[in-house]
Amino acid sequence: KAGVTQTPRYLIKTRGQQVTLSCSPISGHRSVSWYQQTPGQGLQFLFEYFSETQRNKGNFPGRFSGRQFSNSRSEMNVSTLELGDSALYLCASRMTSGDYNEQFFGPGTRLTVL
Amino acid sequence: AQTVTQSQPEMSVQEAETVTLSCTYDTSENNYYLFWYKQPPSRQMILVIRQEAYKQQNATENRFSVNFQKAAKSFSLKISDSQLGDTAMYFCAFMKLGTGANNLFFGTGTRLTVIP
Repeated sequence: KAGVTQTPRYLIKTRGQQVTLSCSPISGHRSVSWYQQTPGQGLQFLFEYFSETQRNKGNFPGRFSGRQFSNSRSEMNVSTLELGDSALYLCASRMTSGDYNEQFFGPGTRLTVL
Repeated sequence: AQTVTQSQPEMSVQEAETVTLSCTYDTSENNYYLFWYKQPPSRQMILVIRQEAYKQQNATENRFSVNFQKAAKSFSLKISDSQLGDTAMYFCAFMKLGTGANNLFFGTGTRLTVIP
């Protein structure tokens, strides 16, 4: 079974631009979560989608948004990019939301904002 | 709010030796899981071991074991017979269960280097 895939793997943008990152979960997984990883703030939860609905959201500004499609693929969008948005963005999928089931992480998208 | 603290930014160990990584956490929840994740230089996060809070018995997975002290809110990872492939960042993480948010809360990580 294929793992979690994220595209693109690397991205360079300039301040003020917007960006869209994509995540394809493991087949059969319906929950997708996004995390931001930076040297200063570490790993922080952005949001979780389950069955096309945002189930949970972290403490990030409204410039960060996401969505999930009927095939469970998810995208996250960051508008009006700032230098501080430079980070590794990790996506994780699991079968369901709620009770515990293992999360599987993708390789991440490295975003650099110049 | 949940917090996870890893007080050792970097550690090193000789190949074949044993090393222990420390983690403490703070929560008012009673029903939760604790995890250790490994992030090698390739960056893909991998689950190493998990511990259910309601279980008193410490979890083990081959060369990896934990020392879970619920009252002290301590959750350390012991790696026995360290191998070169164990070189990675290790993150301690917390997840509460039940209704509502059950995302992962991560510590700041410990960079482990296994020396040949």
